Amino acid sequence: GQNIDQPTEMTATEGAIVQINCTYQTSGFNGLFWYQQHAGEAPTFLSYNVLDGLEEKGRFSSFLSRSKGYSYLLLKELQMKDSASYLCAAMDSNYQLIWGAGTKLIIKP
Amino acid sequence: DAMVIQNPRYQVTQFGKPVTLSCSQTLNHNVMYWYQQKSSQAPKLLFHYYDKDFNNEADTPDNFQSRRPNTSFCFLDIRSPGLGDAAMYLCATSRESGQGGQPQHFGDGTRLSIL
Repeated sequence: GQNIDQPTEMTATEGAIVQINCTYQTSGFNGLFWYQQHAGEAPTFLSYNVLDGLEEKGRFSSFLSRSKGYSYLLLKELQMKDSASYLCAAMDSNYQLIWGAGTKLIIKP
Repeated sequence: DAMVIQNPRYQVTQFGKPVTLSCSQTLNHNVMYWYQQKSSQAPKLLFHYYDKDFNNEADTPDNFQSRRPNTSFCFLDIRSPGLGDAAMYLCATSRESGQGGQPQHFGDGTRLSIL
């Protein structure tokens, strides 16, 4: 079956760095997305990886290893507004997104 | 600004009373999606349209129907809402399916409560 695993919750300190991991199993693979979702709001697109390696976008970076079925989202210089859920979603061979349940990130001052 | 708009933001209905949620988009995307999301869970795809081609997920209950009268609008009809249907309903759009890397753009969602 198709599956996404990511931690349920993580806590980090303002100004620090945090890495949110995601492993996936899909029928075929057409890339991996990360979305940010604040409580009660809709997901917003953060990043897309389809080739192995690291993609950097400001304070956020995303990494992909296709051979390991593994991705991570790296958040640097954490700010209080980064408190949110981070959802990992893999695109399968039918170009459908398989979603994780999200990692709730709590930032402490 | 081009965007995905969902109305209403909050909807309260009675058990068994039909309800319709609406979504419109100015992005001119040809793919539209309806998701159901319950607290701390992954979004669950209910349907998607590729242009006018309707695709129903195998496990979407028959109680849920959808219409897409034109490119800009899409509706979700819940014929007889039960308590288990209380959730956030998310509409999303993307440029043509069949190409990797096209992100889905979400509306703000409609939070449905059942009395």
